[in-house]
Amino acid sequence: KAGVTQTPRYLIKTRGQQVTLSCSPISGHRSVSWYQQTPGQGLQFLFEYFSETQRNKGNFPGRFSGRQFSNSRSEMNVSTLELGDSALYLCASSWEQGVFYFGPGTRLTVT
Amino acid sequence: GEDVEQSLFLSVREGDSSVINCTYTDSSSTYLYWYKQEPGAGLQLLTYIFSNMDMKQDQRLTVLLNKKDKHLSLRIADTQTGDSAIYFCAESMDSSYKLIFGSGTRLLVRP
Repeated sequence: KAGVTQTPRYLIKTRGQQVTLSCSPISGHRSVSWYQQTPGQGLQFLFEYFSETQRNKGNFPGRFSGRQFSNSRSEMNVSTLELGDSALYLCASSWEQGVFYFGPGTRLTVT
Repeated sequence: GEDVEQSLFLSVREGDSSVINCTYTDSSSTYLYWYKQEPGAGLQLLTYIFSNMDMKQDQRLTVLLNKKDKHLSLRIADTQTGDSAIYFCAESMDSSYKLIFGSGTRLLVRP
């Protein structure tokens, strides 16, 4: 089985712009969750989707949003980018409430 | 509350055993995990253990869980230079659909 895929792998954006990141889960997995990794804050939970419904959300501003499609693929969007949004964004998939498998991440740099 | 703690750094000689420790605070954890992260990469799932188990062995990896003390450890036998990486401990609960991560332990394997 193919693993979790994330696109793009690297992204450079300017402050004030918006960005959309994509995640395709492992085939058959219906849960997709997103995490932000920074040197200062470590790994922090953004949100989790299952069958197109958001089941949990972390403590991030409303500029961070996500969605899941009927094929379980997920996107996250960050609007009005700030320098502090520079991070590695990781997506994980799991089967229902099972074990979480991560993708390679998208490295976002905001200048 | 939710908190996972790990020591920051461990240095071992090649061929020795490594033991990475983790403590967690939430007794309602369902699964406990160990992930490995190499530079510039995502999180690789190494192993996981159900909260109702005491021990799990998988080739060179042994996980021990002490529920009374809320202590989790990962032992890597015959540590190799390729094991040099950051190791994250994480917990999840059925009700929250998310992972809570420790800050990571950097393992350095000296030749």
